[in-house]
Amino acid sequence: DAKTTQPNSMESNEEEPVHLPCNHSTISGTDYIHWYRQLPSQGPEYVIHGLTSNVNNRMASLAIAEDRKSSTLILHRATLRDAAVYYCIHIARFQGAQKLVFGQGTRLTINP
Amino acid sequence: DTAVSQTPKYLVTQMGNDKSIKCEQNLGHDTMYWYKQDSKKFLKIMFSYNNKELIINETVPNRFSPKSPDKAHLNLHINSLELGDSAVYFCASGQGGNYGYTFGSGTRLTVV
Repeated sequence: DAKTTQPNSMESNEEEPVHLPCNHSTISGTDYIHWYRQLPSQGPEYVIHGLTSNVNNRMASLAIAEDRKSSTLILHRATLRDAAVYYCIHIARFQGAQKLVFGQGTRLTINP
Repeated sequence: DTAVSQTPKYLVTQMGNDKSIKCEQNLGHDTMYWYKQDSKKFLKIMFSYNNKELIINETVPNRFSPKSPDKAHLNLHINSLELGDSAVYFCASGQGGNYGYTFGSGTRLTVV
């Protein structure tokens, strides 16, 4: 299965930017990189995804390295509601199907 | 409008019983999934269906049997429940790697 590596935990302060790193050295040329987050007692929530170029949406930005072996999720101005476990995933293929294979994720703590 | 809905939200049952969890999505997605999140919070894929056809079946005991009556529904039936089946089960749907996947809010199954 496709493997990603993330720090177990990170901490930041409210209203400061947060950079969440991810290594995905086994990624193949057509695998998309997805980020999800899971708030306490909720299901995973889609944050952002990309293939080669950097991406921005209302929730976050995604910076993808030129060799695509790593990426960084950027929360521009963290709030207390951003405290969650953040998962970096690259879509694995299995018999023509696609599946999200979750790693351990990064637990993000936001200090007031 | 809930995009991916699961019922029930909580399920407490005795060992040896048979139970079902239902999932419905109104997003028009072709692919649906079941994931299991254990007490260590690790999310593991169990099954995937594409247009009512089983395409991913991870190493899951035969006691677990998914059923997809149509592409908007994916139910999970569990026979002879065991203590180790206690977990949160998430349903998800998607349309491929270039689109975000949507998760339900989960069903917390407790086997006593």
